Amino acid sequence: NAGVTQTPKFQVLKTGQSMTLQCAQDMNHNSMYWYRQDPGMGLRLIYYSASEGTTDKGEVPNGYNVSRLNKREFSLRLESAAPSQTSVYFCASSEVTFSPLHFGNGTRLTVT
Amino acid sequence: RKEVEQDPGPFNVPEGATVAFNCTYSNSASQSFFWYRQDCRKEPKLLMSVYSSGNEDGRFTAQLNRASQYISLLIRDSKLSDSATYLCVVPDSGGYNKLIFGAGTRLAVHP
Repeated sequence: NAGVTQTPKFQVLKTGQSMTLQCAQDMNHNSMYWYRQDPGMGLRLIYYSASEGTTDKGEVPNGYNVSRLNKREFSLRLESAAPSQTSVYFCASSEVTFSPLHFGNGTRLTVT
Repeated sequence: RKEVEQDPGPFNVPEGATVAFNCTYSNSASQSFFWYRQDCRKEPKLLMSVYSSGNEDGRFTAQLNRASQYISLLIRDSKLSDSATYLCVVPDSGGYNKLIFGAGTRLAVHP
């Protein structure tokens, strides 16, 4: 049982480059989330999808876009990376909103 | 008041000690709360859910005080392997369907 799978695990980008972080879950969960974690800041919600076909902004959505491709997959796109987006990104899923979250292993992104 | 606040620590305790962390929250309507554990450079993992007055799982006890709007996590007989950051999680108060994470409390258990 893979749970939540994120790719890639590590990425280095130059300022202005774009990339997409992929996330897939095999638990038949309805809700999916993207968080970023910075030292001393805790986990901050970027975007979430309460159910297939819906997406909503979280606390820090600027500079990001998301796509809920289907029930399993939820991708995060950085259109023009900036050094301020250097962070660890976690994808998570839950059966429904407010139920416990299951996290992927994270993506460590560095923007130079 | 912030949505959720935790003492960042670190709490340095010897093996076998009992340690407690508190977490205050602002959303008085919250019904469900969670404690997560996060090891260094790893993803958060669910430790306990707290849906009513409290919950106990082995050495871990979570309690909810609705009147004062805080939840606590008590760890008895601390093990070296309990060293981690403990994250408090509460529902958002803005009416959005999401959970808010505290910044975490760091625990270091030493021999």
